[in-house]
Amino acid sequence: DAEITQSPRHKITETGRQVTLACHQTWNHNNMFWYRQDLGHGLRLIHYSYGVQDTNKGEVSDGYSVSRSNTEDLPLTLESAASSQTSVYFCASSGRGGYNEQFFGPGTRLTVL
Amino acid sequence: ILNVEQSPQSLHVQEGDSTNFTCSFPSSNFYALHWYRWETAKSPEALFVMTLNGDEKKKGRISATLNTKEGYSYLYIKGSQPEDSATYLCAFGMDSNYQLIWGAGTKLIIKP
Repeated sequence: DAEITQSPRHKITETGRQVTLACHQTWNHNNMFWYRQDLGHGLRLIHYSYGVQDTNKGEVSDGYSVSRSNTEDLPLTLESAASSQTSVYFCASSGRGGYNEQFFGPGTRLTVL
Repeated sequence: ILNVEQSPQSLHVQEGDSTNFTCSFPSSNFYALHWYRWETAKSPEALFVMTLNGDEKKKGRISATLNTKEGYSYLYIKGSQPEDSATYLCAFGMDSNYQLIWGAGTKLIIKP
């Protein structure tokens, strides 16, 4: 069965360190998204990609970067982790078209001390 | 700034009762409206994607309606069960852009 996975599921890191969160999907979807979810907010879009070599900034992209070298993977990098980046991070993918539902990974809980 | 509002923020409903809640979104540049169910400790899962004004979708005891001219969608749950306890998210898709703008959700708690 097709799926979308994230790793690690939990991560504790220190301020200033570089952190990479992995996202891998076997749906063969072109579109991939990274969100963060914080208390009192809905899902906020960090970065997204419409295909290989395509990346775009979302609403809250400062301090984050992504790269898309193949269809399956969209790793999210926190260049220099800050305590404000403590959050739960969700990766999602979808087929082409805004009418296609998004499929979500299980989430990564990141704590920055 | 585009905004998607969901109301109420939270809702306590007795098991067996029916309930509904609202998603309000911009009425211009509409492309699609999504509803997702998000259970605690799980990931959001799609319930419905609606694209046409007047659309009605149904899945079991859950249904949704869409009014794109006035910018709202209702989600209805008939005969609430404990397994319906979750946060219900709606998301607005503008034009054919694949991005979604998400509401903050309605947290539904079913009391036995």
